[in-house]
Amino acid sequence: KAGVTQTPRYLIKTRGQQVTLSCSPISGHRSVSWYQQTPGQGLQFLFEYFSETQRNKGNFPGRFSGRQFSNSRSEMNVSTLELGDSALYLCASSLAPRSPLHFGNGTRLTVT
Amino acid sequence: DAKTTQPPSMDCAEGRAANLPCNHSTISGNEYVYWYRQIHSQGPQYIIHGLKNNETNEMASLIITEDRKSSTLILPHATLRDTAVYYCIVRVDYGGATNKLIFGTGTLLAVQP
Repeated sequence: KAGVTQTPRYLIKTRGQQVTLSCSPISGHRSVSWYQQTPGQGLQFLFEYFSETQRNKGNFPGRFSGRQFSNSRSEMNVSTLELGDSALYLCASSLAPRSPLHFGNGTRLTVT
Repeated sequence: DAKTTQPPSMDCAEGRAANLPCNHSTISGNEYVYWYRQIHSQGPQYIIHGLKNNETNEMASLIITEDRKSSTLILPHATLRDTAVYYCIVRVDYGGATNKLIFGTGTLLAVQP
């Protein structure tokens, strides 16, 4: 069974631009969560979706948004990029909330 | 939210058992203990989870103390490929099931040849 797929693997953007990251969950998984990982803050929860509905949101500014489609695929968007948004963005899927999360290998975003 | 405390780093000889401790003294009755690990440049990998009974799977064993205030992850025969950061997490529940996990800084396990 294929794992969680995130695209692109690497991305370089400049300040002020916006970016969209994509996540395809494991087949049959309906819950998708996003995390940001930086050396200074570690792994931090961004948001969680289940059946196209956002169920939980972390403490990030409104520039960070996401959505989930009917096929459970998810995207997250960051607008007006700042240097501090440089990070590894990880997507995780699970069968349902409270099931173990399975993570992808992330998208490495660099903002210059 | 229950927090966890782990040693920042540990060493283990290849072929020996690696025992990774975790303290979660404020855990509540319906919160599970989860373990994940992250190998450099990869996403975290789920290892095992438990509520109060000891658990074992093909990767590891999880021993939870009777008072549930601490646990130990055991890798029975550590290999070089087990070198990673290991995270002990208590599952957060805000009035309903959630996938919001609070990761600490974890334990960097270095398996030595």
